[in-house]
Amino acid sequence: DTEVTQTPKHLVMGMTNKKSLKCEQHMGHRAMYWYKQKAKKPPELMFVYSYEKLSINESVPSRFSPECPNSSLLNLHLHALQPEDSALYLCASSQDRGTGTSGPYEQYFGPGTRLTVT
Amino acid sequence: AQSVAQPEDQVNVAEGNPLTVKCTYSVSGNPYLFWYVQYPNRGLQFLLKYITGDNLVKGSYGFEAEFNKSQTSFHLKKPSALVSDSALYFCAVRDSLNQAGTALIFGKGTTLSVSS
Repeated sequence: DTEVTQTPKHLVMGMTNKKSLKCEQHMGHRAMYWYKQKAKKPPELMFVYSYEKLSINESVPSRFSPECPNSSLLNLHLHALQPEDSALYLCASSQDRGTGTSGPYEQYFGPGTRLTVT
Repeated sequence: AQSVAQPEDQVNVAEGNPLTVKCTYSVSGNPYLFWYVQYPNRGLQFLLKYITGDNLVKGSYGFEAEFNKSQTSFHLKKPSALVSDSALYFCAVRDSLNQAGTALIFGKGTTLSVSS
């Protein structure tokens, strides 16, 4: 099973709402990622978890809060977002960070959550 | 500075013809290079990667890429294009300056359009 699943597929939220995006993989991968992607642009890395610990936070505003409850799940909690945060949010996973001689490993992406902030 | 360049915003090719999507890179140390494809309203799909070894890398769906160290290029190729290959293609390189080891630097993307 090489699938990364994300829920919900679409989300519309107001600027005062709190919502969460969920991501799940059952490939035994130990690195998981959140990306933000605007239309026709490359993905922008937000966060990286390695062995359930946050290893990269790319200076993302605090209104985005990641959580990795276990090795298969990754959440992104959203609060007080701005309209400019509207985008496709992609989750990905890889075998691990790939810092050894056999890495880096390719990342497997989920289909994304299309977020609209009104 | 590390970077990936995809010089063409769009590539148009007729079905059955060979296709090339260009990528050049600038990195410190060994280049670890990737190609991903994105279909509309979908996530990215991994096509192939170059870590070390043969300069010609074969990947999914009949795609291959040629690593050229002297030209710092990693062009994606396919001998015979299909209409279903129409998508957005991203070249990426591992960010060797990022100590976490796994961050990727993506090119801006190239839209491939295959006409029937």
